[in-house]
Amino acid sequence: SQQGEEDPQALSIQEGENATMNCSYKTSINNLQWYRQNSGRGLVHLILIRSNEREKHSGRLRVTLDTSKKSSSLLITASRAADTASYFCATALSSGSRLTFGEGTQLTVNP
Amino acid sequence: DVKVTQSSRYLVKRTGEKVFLECVQDMDHENMFWYRQDPGLGLRLIYFSYDVKMKEKGDIPEGYSVSREKKERFSLILESASTNQTSMYLCASSPLRSETQYFGPGTRLLVL
Repeated sequence: SQQGEEDPQALSIQEGENATMNCSYKTSINNLQWYRQNSGRGLVHLILIRSNEREKHSGRLRVTLDTSKKSSSLLITASRAADTASYFCATALSSGSRLTFGEGTQLTVNP
Repeated sequence: DVKVTQSSRYLVKRTGEKVFLECVQDMDHENMFWYRQDPGLGLRLIYFSYDVKMKEKGDIPEGYSVSREKKERFSLILESASTNQTSMYLCASSPLRSETQYFGPGTRLLVL
C-alpha cells in the first residue's frame, strides 16, 4: 500500500489565495519531499524536509512536518494560475533509499 | 541542469508486442528508476538500479524487465505487452545517497 496519502484529492482556489495540502504516512521516515507535476509532464522536485526538521521555507512554499502525527503539509502562499498542477508527497525510509509516492492533490488556481 | 530524456512521449503498441522504453540521463547519476502512473494510484515503482548491470524489483515488477548496460541509460522492457500495461511511464534518476529524484517528461503508452 502507498506510504503517503494526500488530502484533499482536489483543491480549487482563486488566484491570490493560499493553498494547503496535507500528506499522511504510515511508518517512520528519514525525509519527506514534495513534487509538482504539470499536466502530462514529469515530476519536479520542490522541497525536502528531514525527520529532525519541523518547518522549511522556499519562496512561496512552506512545508511542515509532524513526525508524532506522521503528517506533513505544503502551503503555497499568494497562489498564481501557474501553480495549477498536481502535487505529490514522497517519503524515504532512510537516506538515499527509494521513494514512496502518494496519490497526489490536484490544485486548480482560477485567475 | 539535470536532464532526463525518454525516447518517446507517446507510443501505441498491440497486445503481445515487445516494447522498449528508453531513458537517458546526462548527469552521471548512479540511481535510476522506472515508475508507472495511473489515475487514483499515484506513482508506483516498477524497477530501479543503483549501478550498471544492477537492478532491483520495485512494487510492481510483474510483466516488466529492465536493462542497464551503461550508466546513463536505463531501459524498461515489456516482454509481451498487455492492455493493462496502458499507462504513463516515468523515468527518474538521482545521485548516489541523494534523496532528490529528477524526472523525465514521461511516455504515455497505449496497448491495443
